[in-house]
Amino acid sequence: DTGVSQNPRHKITKRGQNVTFRCDPISEHNRLYWYRQTLGQGPEFLTYFQNEAQLEKSRLLSDRFSAERPKGSFSTLEIQRTEQGDSAMYLCASSSEGGTEAFFGQGTRLTVV
Amino acid sequence: GENVEQHPSTLSVQEGDSAVIKCTYSDSASNYFPWYKQELGKGPQLIIDIRSNVGEKKDQRIAVTLNKTAKHFSLHITETQPEDSAVYFCAAKKGNNRLAFGKGNQVVVIP
Repeated sequence: DTGVSQNPRHKITKRGQNVTFRCDPISEHNRLYWYRQTLGQGPEFLTYFQNEAQLEKSRLLSDRFSAERPKGSFSTLEIQRTEQGDSAMYLCASSSEGGTEAFFGQGTRLTVV
Repeated sequence: GENVEQHPSTLSVQEGDSAVIKCTYSDSASNYFPWYKQELGKGPQLIIDIRSNVGEKKDQRIAVTLNKTAKHFSLHITETQPEDSAVYFCAAKKGNNRLAFGKGNQVVVIP
């Protein structure tokens, strides 16, 4: 296992379209986090899973956003009816239960045109 | 919630000199403080971290110091090299809560 994997690395979509991103965490990690990062800013928390349970959602996660982790392994983040303000880097991170270190993937860069 | 601030926003240093980046946090209950390095187009990479029961931690050319009373922690990079040029983010968390990040510091190492 080489770390957290995110796909796709880049996505360009037209405003109003739906997009879905995938994150594969480090295999023994049961905690998975989604963050969003805009230019010149630090990562902002979106949501967090422990195994398949979604335990926390940020106010940033509007009703157009939905995240799942159906089998407690990989996770998907879907954005419906994309808006230009959704353009950002979407980062996934994972950590082990009881562990504090969180390891990030390379991110998915979303551009909404 | 936790609020983390970083200073300065941009730091330029001559190759071989030291660089110091300082972060402040607001929640005295925070007990874990990592530093991440982010290169252009890549995800943040964990480079060093410190827990609240320790005042200093060192790993080769990088070190982190923590002052719990003043609620600030600093990243120290010695003998800087061009490959140290990147954006550095500090973060803080308490218990099992999620990380709160600062806005980042752009470090430029001038050859």
